[in-house]
Amino acid sequence: GENVEQHPSTLSVQEGDSAVIKCTYSDSASNYFPWYKQELGKGPQLIIDIRSNVGEKKDQRIAVTLNKTAKHFSLHITETQPEDSAVYFCAASLSGSARQLTFGSGTQLTVLP
Amino acid sequence: GAGVSQTPSNKVTEKGKYVELRCDPISGHTALYWYRQSLGQGPEFLIYFQGTGAADDSGLPNDRFFAVRPEGSVSTLKIQRTERGDSAVYLCASSQTGGSYGYTFGSGTRLTVV
Repeated sequence: GENVEQHPSTLSVQEGDSAVIKCTYSDSASNYFPWYKQELGKGPQLIIDIRSNVGEKKDQRIAVTLNKTAKHFSLHITETQPEDSAVYFCAASLSGSARQLTFGSGTQLTVLP
Repeated sequence: GAGVSQTPSNKVTEKGKYVELRCDPISGHTALYWYRQSLGQGPEFLIYFQGTGAADDSGLPNDRFFAVRPEGSVSTLKIQRTERGDSAVYLCASSQTGGSYGYTFGSGTRLTVV
């Protein structure tokens, strides 16, 4: 089955700086890569996603890049704000099991004011 | 409703007891998913429903776990003979069909087996 590795496990940045979280996946057939933000006591919330026919996608301060050859994808947050502090999860969906996501182990992002 | 609703939000049960966890998906969402999240980990897939049928139950850890969705809306996750290792947050999510992959998660049920 699919295996997704995520790093770093914790990340602290100063407000206004950029944050980068990286994930690698094992199955080259995976074709969908979402990122979720989870705040304490809440369920994960989809913030951005990318499909395997696209190399980069942006949404305001958030961008995701995908390198299919290397089987890795990254989340970039620019101009970080204290409200960006949360746990971020990457995930991958295996072709043929499009409804089943395999998640990474999460990154605790802390934005220091 | 406006979001995915899960009840109860917290459940404490004794080892060996039976529990039921309920999920109310977003109205009109035909796909429903259950995930389990242990402390400090990402969610782990359990089961996926398309309508009333379980399209993929490959994530259920053993036969103590069972889920139903009899009318294609509300779903119940049932755990028999609970064990301490079942303690986790159980998350439900729903999505529209038509190739959409975007999930909307509920806030989860925190199950503690003592």
